[in-house]
Amino acid sequence: QLQLQESGPGLVKPSETLSLTCTVSGGSITSTTYYWGWIRQPPGKGLEWIGTIYYSGRTYHNPSLKSRVTISVDTYTNQFSLGLSSVTAADTAVYYCARVPGSDWLDYWGQGTLVTVSS
Amino acid sequence: QSALTQPASVSGSPGQSITISCTGTSSDVGSYNLVSWYQQYPGKAPKVLIYEVAKRPSGTSNRFSGSKSGNTASLTISGLQAEDEADYYCCSYAGSSTLVFGGGTKLTVL
Repeated sequence: QLQLQESGPGLVKPSETLSLTCTVSGGSITSTTYYWGWIRQPPGKGLEWIGTIYYSGRTYHNPSLKSRVTISVDTYTNQFSLGLSSVTAADTAVYYCARVPGSDWLDYWGQGTLVTVSS
Repeated sequence: QSALTQPASVSGSPGQSITISCTGTSSDVGSYNLVSWYQQYPGKAPKVLIYEVAKRPSGTSNRFSGSKSGNTASLTISGLQAEDEADYYCCSYAGSSTLVFGGGTKLTVL
C-alpha cells in the first residue's frame, strides 16, 4: 500500500524559507506513470495547489507562487521536497504531499503537516 | 489562475440527492475533461471521489457521480447518508500541467 509522509519544521519565522520533505513508501517515485505534488490548506480555508514534479526533475508551479517555490526530487531516497521562500503569516497552512496520476488528479495523500509562520 | 467557484454550503436530508456545482472558465473546466472531486473530513486529508469528470476510483461508492457541461462540473450524491457530511472540493486541470481547486463546499446532512 502506497504511503506518503510529510516532514519538516512546524514553525518558520517570517521572511525565512519553509522546507518540507515527502517520503514515499510502498512504491517507487521513479514510476513513469505518476507525478508528485504539493498542496496546502490555510486553517479554515480551501485547498491550493502549489506544484508538481516528475521523477526526471521537471516541475510545474502555481503561477501565484512560482517565484517563491522550489520543488525537487531525490530518486535515491524516494523523496521529494518543497521549498517556499520569503514566507509570511499568509503561508501558514497544512501542507500535503500527494501522488498525481497523469498530472491531473491526486489519488494518494499524506496526512498533512501544519506549518506556522510566526516570529 | 483563479479558484473554481463552488457554493459555500449545501444541505439535504438522508435518502435525498444533492448536487454540488463547480464553475470554471474556458481555460480550465471548459477545455479539459479532467475534473476531479475530493471529500474531506475535519482534520483529515482529502480523499478522491471522482476523476476525469465521471470516473470512480476503486472504493468510491456508486452513490457519487460526476458530470460536466460547458464550464461547469457537478458532483451528485444520491441516497444521502449521515457519513456524507463533509467538505467537498473540485479540481480541474488548467493546462501546462497545472491544477486549480474550487473554494470548497460544506455539505450538511439534516
